[in-house]
Amino acid sequence: DAKTTQPNSMESNEEEPVHLPCNHSTISGTDYIHWYRQLPSQGPEYVIHGLTSNVNNRMASLAIAEDRKSSTLILHRATLRDAAVYYCIRTGGSYIPTFGRGTSLIVHP
Amino acid sequence: DSGVTQTPKHLITATGQRVTLRCSPRSGDLSVYWYQQSLDQGLQFLIQYYNGEERAKGNILERFSAQQFPDLHSELNLSSLELGDSALYFCASSAHPGQGNRALHFGNGTRLTVT
Repeated sequence: DAKTTQPNSMESNEEEPVHLPCNHSTISGTDYIHWYRQLPSQGPEYVIHGLTSNVNNRMASLAIAEDRKSSTLILHRATLRDAAVYYCIRTGGSYIPTFGRGTSLIVHP
Repeated sequence: DSGVTQTPKHLITATGQRVTLRCSPRSGDLSVYWYQQSLDQGLQFLIQYYNGEERAKGNILERFSAQQFPDLHSELNLSSLELGDSALYFCASSAHPGQGNRALHFGNGTRLTVT
């Protein structure tokens, strides 16, 4: 039970921004929201995480709703190398990241 | 490069056999996690170790076992292999378990094929 809900797939054009949504309506106050991505034939790669405030790093931005029941991973300019499966995960007490099916991002040239 | 090393990259073996998968965590990380990824099941958590001790168990079969050694490397042992055990096996490490703000760092996996 991943306890998050994501669309199965999304498509984008190269150089355009991508907003990947995630619903985590049962999140508790101490749960962090993590995003990982998995490129073909590779292990999952950490992207970003946050608790309450929006976060930015060199890979992406994370926008967290005020009620924390949803979040959005933002890739500011998609490239072909961003084509991957993106996983949204909540981590809490036991901190055993549970992966759902994620969102498969297709980037068109 | 995540800093997590898994060997071997590929393993082909027959049903009924036993194999050992090895993982070296990122330098400084004390916790190791094992995951199985098959086409129909997605990424499934198997087991977690912290500083040599088993900390959490997931959907790990009784035919599978793991351990973490004093140098913090870990091994996953799979025995009496069945065709359905064919999958990618990932190891991940983190600095400390139980801290929700710690990222997991994954290796590139061992692809096991059981024929």
